[in-house]
Amino acid sequence: QKEVEQNSGPLSVPEGAIASLNCTYSDRGSQSFFWYRQYSGKSPELIMSIYSNGDKEDGRFTAQLNKASQYVSLLIRDSQPSDSATYLCAVSPSSNTGKLIFGQGTTLQVKP
Amino acid sequence: SAVISQKPSRDICQRGTSLTIQCQVDSQVTMMFWYRQQPGQSLTLIATANQGSEATYESGFVIDKFPISRPNLTFSTLTVSNMSPEDSSIYLCSASEGARETQYFGPGTRLLVL
Repeated sequence: QKEVEQNSGPLSVPEGAIASLNCTYSDRGSQSFFWYRQYSGKSPELIMSIYSNGDKEDGRFTAQLNKASQYVSLLIRDSQPSDSATYLCAVSPSSNTGKLIFGQGTTLQVKP
Repeated sequence: SAVISQKPSRDICQRGTSLTIQCQVDSQVTMMFWYRQQPGQSLTLIATANQGSEATYESGFVIDKFPISRPNLTFSTLTVSNMSPEDSSIYLCSASEGARETQYFGPGTRLLVL
């Protein structure tokens, strides 16, 4: 079992729809969770961080965390073509060394 | 958030040579990391660059192949030694303020080994 798992996609949604990106992790003691967006040829940029169970909203983005199910998701409302990118889920393991374990990323395509 | 720069941005190197990549952060940071991203793949952590001591390497990465320096709280280097075409990749530097804090990434160094 991989430490952090994502569906590689591509996930294709029409413009204006809600895109739902999912991630599961294996280390039950993980405390910090991050979503990064990576455009082709660019480095990852932070979208959201979440540390507690529940929802966290920032503009069109909502991160959801369920530690009991070891599941974290990212919802993108009113998806735009500019949201087309690879979304990387990253988890800070319980060893608390500061390092991040990345999932393989989900490619999102938003079609006009 | 920290602003991170890397040099060079890209390079083409010959097999058997070495390349040193520099990472500069615009403020003092607690932690710095080096990742590799192979074509079409996600990020894999190479090592944590420790200020004033030897880097902490992840499984599959060794100091002889990827020596790392971190002389102060704003600067680190990664050397890719005795390169082979399999080392062709994007190398990314990141920095954070602490173990649970967000990591910010540099723009990456695109390396092609012929």
